[in-house]
Amino acid sequence: AQKITQTQPGMFVQEKEAVTLDCTYDTSDPSYGLFWYKQPSSGEMIFLIYQGSYDQQNATEGRYSLNFQKARKSANLVISASQLGDSAMYFCAMRVINTGNQFYFGTGTSLTVIP
Amino acid sequence: DVKVTQSSRYLVKRTGEKVFLECVQDMDHENMFWYRQDPGLGLRLIYFSYDVKMKEKGDIPEGYSVSREKKERFSLILESASTNQTSMYLCASGQPAYEQYFGPGTRLTVT
Repeated sequence: AQKITQTQPGMFVQEKEAVTLDCTYDTSDPSYGLFWYKQPSSGEMIFLIYQGSYDQQNATEGRYSLNFQKARKSANLVISASQLGDSAMYFCAMRVINTGNQFYFGTGTSLTVIP
Repeated sequence: DVKVTQSSRYLVKRTGEKVFLECVQDMDHENMFWYRQDPGLGLRLIYFSYDVKMKEKGDIPEGYSVSREKKERFSLILESASTNQTSMYLCASGQPAYEQYFGPGTRLTVT
């Protein structure tokens, strides 16, 4: 069975500091992709970053980086230099190639950036 | 930019009513998805479609049906709405092996 686990229901970070949001996954399939989405209070899900299971380097997109530790089955999101606009829900998701195009989502982490 | 639109942002329906939620995407994506989002439960997949007239059950299809007559449109139908279907409904689309793009969501309240 495929599973995504986010153990931090809520996190606080000081503005301009870095923060790490945890995500662990479970799959026996060797081919998969890992995604992070941001959901502001407006409700729309915004794609942030992607990591493929065969990618050798950690993915980075601007202030977002994905700390991919394959042996530990973790895919933590690191946000550097936090901004007030980063306050939102963050969801980790996984797509397993052999199960088709279905995505599996975690329960989310609510991040609050403090001025 | 990819655009996924949903017919309503907010909807209030009575128990037993038939409810239609419409989703349209403008990027010719093959795959479309319907999720419901509840606090503490994350996103749960209701149904998805990988082609016109094709559909697959997700994790929680009970009480729902879907229709995809055209590639750009994916409809979610609640045959007889119940209070436990009060939720946020999110539509998404994407190409196989790539990220999903989401619509703004429909917050449905069944009274």
